[in-house]
Amino acid sequence: DTAVSQTPKYLVTQMGNDKSIKCEQNLGHDTMYWYKQDSKKFLKIMFSYNNKELIINETVPNRFSPKSPDKAHLNLHINSLELGDSAVYFCASSQGRGPITDTQYFGPGTRLTVL
Amino acid sequence: TQLLEQSPQFLSIQEGENLTVYCNSSSVFSSLQWYRQEPGEGPVLLVTVVTGGEVKKLKRLTFQFGDARKDSSLHITAAQPGDTGLYLCADFYGQNFVFGPGTRLSVLP
Repeated sequence: DTAVSQTPKYLVTQMGNDKSIKCEQNLGHDTMYWYKQDSKKFLKIMFSYNNKELIINETVPNRFSPKSPDKAHLNLHINSLELGDSAVYFCASSQGRGPITDTQYFGPGTRLTVL
Repeated sequence: TQLLEQSPQFLSIQEGENLTVYCNSSSVFSSLQWYRQEPGEGPVLLVTVVTGGEVKKLKRLTFQFGDARKDSSLHITAAQPGDTGLYLCADFYGQNFVFGPGTRLSVLP
């Protein structure tokens, strides 16, 4: 069984559209994350969500909004897509919220291309 | 803000060679994690080091944590094509994990 799954795997869309990426984890973890990996492979945290507490990376535009219907799901909704949003988006989960020995489990990624 | 640096940025070697990649921080690590990311996949945790001077081994991979906990190295012995991937180091800083830019390793058969 897949521990952390994301859908879709690939997403191609036009500028200005609104889109969502779904993430589910079956590990029973309490914390979920969204990361953005740009073309240079730099992996940057966007959000972390733990027990209804949302921590937002201050550099993330407010066009991005995470939505968690329950502990096992953390979806990412993006409004008014821009060319610069093209990247691979990874969902991850961990039992707690770091540090020290907390292990993050990553999903396979969603490659978003904005035309 | 903590900044992680990794070197080299790219490394291409022949199967059977040894290699070392490095991770350095502008501040003391709270703990240091190494991940490997294969093409088209998410990163997978290899090891976590916590104590200064710590050495951990994972088959042909040896991880060292500097005494001052501001640097770490990953040494691979007798590299194989299956070791190809992006090697990332990460630390928990503030309220989240911070990743380095990675070393892209290519092992040619």
